[in-house]
Order: sequence, then C-alpha cells, then structure tokens
Amino acid sequence: GAGVSQSPSNKVTEKGKDVELRCDPISGHTALYWYRQSLGQGLEFLIYFQGNSAPDKSGLPSDRFSAERTGGSVSTLTIQRTQQEDSAVYLCASSSGDGATGYTFGSGTRLTVV
Amino acid sequence: RKEVEQDPGPFNVPEGATVAFNCTYSNSASQSFFWYRQDCRKEPKLLMSVYSSGNEDGRFTAQLNRASQYISLLIRDSKLSDSATYLCVVNNQAGTALIFGKGTTLSVSS
Repeated sequence: GAGVSQSPSNKVTEKGKDVELRCDPISGHTALYWYRQSLGQGLEFLIYFQGNSAPDKSGLPSDRFSAERTGGSVSTLTIQRTQQEDSAVYLCASSSGDGATGYTFGSGTRLTVV
Repeated sequence: RKEVEQDPGPFNVPEGATVAFNCTYSNSASQSFFWYRQDCRKEPKLLMSVYSSGNEDGRFTAQLNRASQYISLLIRDSKLSDSATYLCVVNNQAGTALIFGKGTTLSVSS
C-alpha cells in the first residue's frame, strides 16, 4: 500500500482479555518495527523484524507480549491477559533499510484497558 | 545516562523567532541520527536526517557533534505550523532499531 496501515485504530478491552493488533507495512519494505507510546511518554521500542531473520524481541516488556510476521509482510502484535498499564498507542513502522534509515509510521492503535 | 535525552520544554516563541533544540545520546557507536516531528495525537514523521557535516532543509538546520555526542536542530523564522513535538532519534547499540527521545515541545504564537 501507499502507507503503513494499522488496525484497529482504537480498541477498548477489559482487563484480562487478549488483544491482537495488526500492521500492514509499505509494500516492499523488508523491515518492520513495533513501538508503543504511553500518555506523555516517549516511544518505547518493542520488536523488530527484518526479512526472514529471527526478530529482535529485546524490547518486549513481558511474556504476555508476542508478535509475528507472516510471509514477510503483515504483522500481528498480541497482548495476552491485558493489564491497565498496557494502555498506550501502539505504533508500527516500516523501512526499506536495516534500521539505519528513517521509518514511516502508521497512525497507530490506541489501546485502552478498562 | 538515558540513551537519548532532550529538554522537554515547552519552548514558547513568537512567529518569526529562531529557536534551537539540543539532544545528547549515550551510545558512542551510533551511526544514524534523525529529527522527527510529532503533532498532537498523531504518529511521528521524519523531519530530516542528521549528517556529520551538518545539513540544512529550508528553515531547518541540523548539526551533529560526535565527540560530544550532541545533536541540535535550529528552526529559523518560526511559523505557527511549526508547533509540534520534536523528537531526537539515534540508532540502537545493535544498529537494528531507532531509539527516540521523549521530545521537545514547541509552541509558536502569533
């Protein structure tokens, strides 16, 4: 597509439920990143996919968080047993480089855990 | 020391003013540097890359001092539309991802 597409744009879920967030990167971009941004805070790196290489999961805050990227394109971020502190905007970005080039971000998914 | 540190501001300036933002980073091995702009409740957007020799894009000038691990952004002739949060960005230790500062907020008034 022309840009990075994320869905849903907003998600309200009850504490303890699982959620799935989707990211469709720019066509041809081999690198895909997930970040999250809590209210008034900076962007926090979560996970990085590059082609068929093993993902860099070093930023995932707990084992409740996981992500996969199927066919080198669409990615899904899953949060199990959501907690209130998971409330944030989850941003996906893609790039054509290896992490040394600027990214294009999607408009994010605003997750609210009640 | 935080990986990327910025003065959060806010910087409140009148239209036409010149304003400068500074940023320091901790990883001396960083090779990639950027400034991003983020409007309220929007995603960050790439403003400009920062090169060792310094670079300019219209009213915006970016400088890098590797020895001091310091990056700056200068905005000349500020416009109302420049009001936003400016994020200083460097690549991480592994060179695989970008680390974002918390941003400096600029408010330009008429």
